[in-house]
Order: sequence, then C-alpha cells, then structure tokens
Amino acid sequence: EAGVAQSPRYKIIEKRQSVAFWCNPISGHATLYWYQQILGQGPKLLIQFQNNGVVDDSQLPKDRFSAERLKGVDSTLKIQPAKLEDSAVYLCASSLVNRVYEVGELFFGEGSRLTVL
Amino acid sequence: LAKTTQPISMDSYEGQEVNITCSHNNIATNDYITWYQQFPSQGPRFIIQGYKTKVTNEVASLFIPADRKSSTLSLPRVSLSDTAVYYCLVGDVYSGAGSYQLTFGKGTKLSVIP
Repeated sequence: EAGVAQSPRYKIIEKRQSVAFWCNPISGHATLYWYQQILGQGPKLLIQFQNNGVVDDSQLPKDRFSAERLKGVDSTLKIQPAKLEDSAVYLCASSLVNRVYEVGELFFGEGSRLTVL
Repeated sequence: LAKTTQPISMDSYEGQEVNITCSHNNIATNDYITWYQQFPSQGPRFIIQGYKTKVTNEVASLFIPADRKSSTLSLPRVSLSDTAVYYCLVGDVYSGAGSYQLTFGKGTKLSVIP
C-alpha cells in the first residue's frame, strides 16, 4: 500500500518569497492534516480537512498561510510571504477515521523541509 | 484541550525494558490515548492506542490506570533501532463540532545505548 506522498522534500527560499507544498494522502482516507514541526518541538496542527471541507484551521496563520484540498484528495499548503520563523518541516498526514471522540491512526508522510533565509 | 506531560529524555541499554510515562490529568471521558514514534527526518509513526486498562500489540504495551490520568508505554527489550522520540497524544473533542484535534507535546527522546 502506498503511503502519504509529499513534495518537495526540501525547499530553500528567501524571506518574503512564496512556497507551496503538495500532499497526496493514502487512497480512501477522508481526513487530511497539515502539521508544522519546528526543530526540537512536536508537530503542531495547522489545518484539518475532511474530504474537501475544513474541519479545523484555528492554528493556521491565515494572513500568510493557505491550504486547499480539491476534490477531497490531494492538498496544497501555501505560504506567502514567508518569514524566517516559518523554517520548519511541514508534515502531511491522513486518516480513515473521523468519528467524534475516537482517534484513529494517522499516517504521516516524510515531510517537506523549508528553510527561509 | 487535554495536555500531556512526558519526560524530556530517557536513556536505556540494549535489551532492557523501557517504560515511558505520560501524565494527562484533565483527560476527557471519551478521549483515547495514542502513542507515536518519530525517527529523524521522518514523520511520526503510530505505535499503539488505548482507552483503559491494558493494550498490547507486536511492538509495545500500553498501561492505563483506572483514573486514566496517566499512561505508560512499555517497550520490551529495546534495540538501537528504537532510538527515537516518543509522543503521547490525547484525542480531544473540539468545539463540539464533531471534529477532534491531536495535540503533540515535545515528546520523550529515547536513547538506546549499546
């Protein structure tokens, strides 16, 4: 079974430039998550989709970050303009389960490492 | 949101059993407890999940006392390849909208020594 695919693996940009990350979840997984992981910290949830609808984006810095999930499958996360503090690994995860109270297994991709100079 | 507290780091020799305890004092009635493992340059990987008492799979065991205010991940006979960061998560009900948010803490960095 193919896992969660992410690209690019690495990206270096200068501050104020823009960048986009792509994620292809495991086939059939309705729920998709984007996490930000800063070096030395645990992953922080940015946005959660169920199919193509946003379930939770309370921690997404909406002045510069945007995300979409067209047709309930692939997703893109965009940062524009980037700041130095956006340097992090951006992890995409997907899950079959989204019932209230129950936490299913999240399948993570390898992540996209962003360096902002 | 239910918060978790774990030791920042632990060391263990190869072949020993390792127990990592996570505190989650304000866990909600219907929350589940989940543990993930993360190697450098990789995304976290699911290890085990439970609600109460004991759960065991081929990789680990999870012990949850009756009050559910803590949980212990037990890794039997660790090897060098078990060196990783281990995260304890508690599934939250978020704003009653039928969604939930998984909150990762800083995790426990386990170092296995030869």
